[in-house]
Amino acid sequence: AQTVTQSQPEMSVQEAETVTLSCTYDTSESDYYLFWYKQPPSRQMILVIRQEAYKQQNATENRFSVNFQKAAKSFSLKISDSQLGDAAMYFCAYRSAGGGSEKLVFGKGTKLTVNP
Amino acid sequence: EAGVAQSPRYKIIEKRQSVAFWCNPISGHATLYWYQQILGQGPKLLIQFQNNGVVDDSQLPKDRFSAERLKGVDSTLKIQPAKLEDSAVYLCASSLAWDRRGYTFGSGTRLTVV
Repeated sequence: AQTVTQSQPEMSVQEAETVTLSCTYDTSESDYYLFWYKQPPSRQMILVIRQEAYKQQNATENRFSVNFQKAAKSFSLKISDSQLGDAAMYFCAYRSAGGGSEKLVFGKGTKLTVNP
Repeated sequence: EAGVAQSPRYKIIEKRQSVAFWCNPISGHATLYWYQQILGQGPKLLIQFQNNGVVDDSQLPKDRFSAERLKGVDSTLKIQPAKLEDSAVYLCASSLAWDRRGYTFGSGTRLTVV
């Protein structure tokens, strides 16, 4: 079974600075997807960024980018120019690309605090 | 487009009582998911529907949890009887069939069992 590990329960960053959240995963599959979700106090899970395992190029979405190291099974999220609105729980998630169940397997999350 | 709607937003019940949660997915989304998120943990899939059919319910405690999706649209998740350890946020999500881009979550129902 696939597992996702987020080793940083909490992180903090100064407004306008850069922070990196770590994620490692374990799988025997070669084709899969990786996601970072943001969960503010409203509880809704919001997709931040997505990476297909077959793509070597790291995904980027505005201030958010990932460092995907397939051999090391590592998938970190970098937030540049941090804003107060970035404060939330961040979850790393894995999803198989095979048929059948399309469940997301989540890590335990990292609570990000942004200091003004 | 309208998002995934869930109700109620909060629910407090006593142990051994029953409770039901409702989810209305995004129009046209064939796939619907129910996740359980216990405090301090990431969400865990309880059940996945494809239209009316169940694709994955391997982690659903079937002795007390049940779910249905009539007519392939709305879904209801029920717990009967509830236990203290069922206290959690119950998230519903939906996606287009076999959509690899990820799916859209609702805001969840926070259940407290006392």
